[in-house]
Amino acid sequence: DAGVIQSPRHEVTEMGQEVTLRCKPISGHNSLFWYRQTMMRGLELLIYFNNNVPIDDSGMPEDRFSAKMPNASFSTLKIQPSEPRDSAVYFCASSLRGGVAGDTQYFGPGTRLTVL
Amino acid sequence: RKEVEQDPGPFNVPEGATVAFNCTYSNSASQSFFWYRQDCRKEPKLLMSVYSSGNEDGRFTAQLNRASQYISLLIRDSKLSDSATYLCVVNGPTGTASKLTFGTGTRLQVTL
Repeated sequence: DAGVIQSPRHEVTEMGQEVTLRCKPISGHNSLFWYRQTMMRGLELLIYFNNNVPIDDSGMPEDRFSAKMPNASFSTLKIQPSEPRDSAVYFCASSLRGGVAGDTQYFGPGTRLTVL
Repeated sequence: RKEVEQDPGPFNVPEGATVAFNCTYSNSASQSFFWYRQDCRKEPKLLMSVYSSGNEDGRFTAQLNRASQYISLLIRDSKLSDSATYLCVVNGPTGTASKLTFGTGTRLQVTL
């Protein structure tokens, strides 16, 4: 069974460039989550979707960040323009029954982003 | 005050030791509680859910004290393979059940 798939696994870019991170959730899962992890702040929820609809984007740092989920099997997180402080590991996770307490979230391997 | 607070460690223990991690959370309306494990440069993975009555999974025991807003994880007979960061995780109140809040983690290093 394929887990959550993320691409690219590593991204190095220069400040000001656009970065697009991609995620394919586990087939049949209804909810998708984007997280960011840094040493200083730990793992932070950026945005999550239920049935392809954004439910809570209060964790998105600023307007430079945007996320889309055009269908049940694909989501993107875009940073434009990127800044050095965006350097982090970005995880995508999915769950079967989003909105249900106790539902397990399964994480992808993450994208390690470095902005120079 | 952070929503979920953990001692960052590291906890360095010899193989076979018993080690306990603690966690406190600030939102009394939280409904679900978990421990996740994260290996170095890997993604977090669910270790176990935490129930009010306490629950055990092999060498791992989790406890929840709602009155004190306190969660614990006990690992008995530590193995080298238990070396990882353990994340305390709490979900939101009704209406935000999907929203998980992660502690910054407690790092465990088990040595020979």
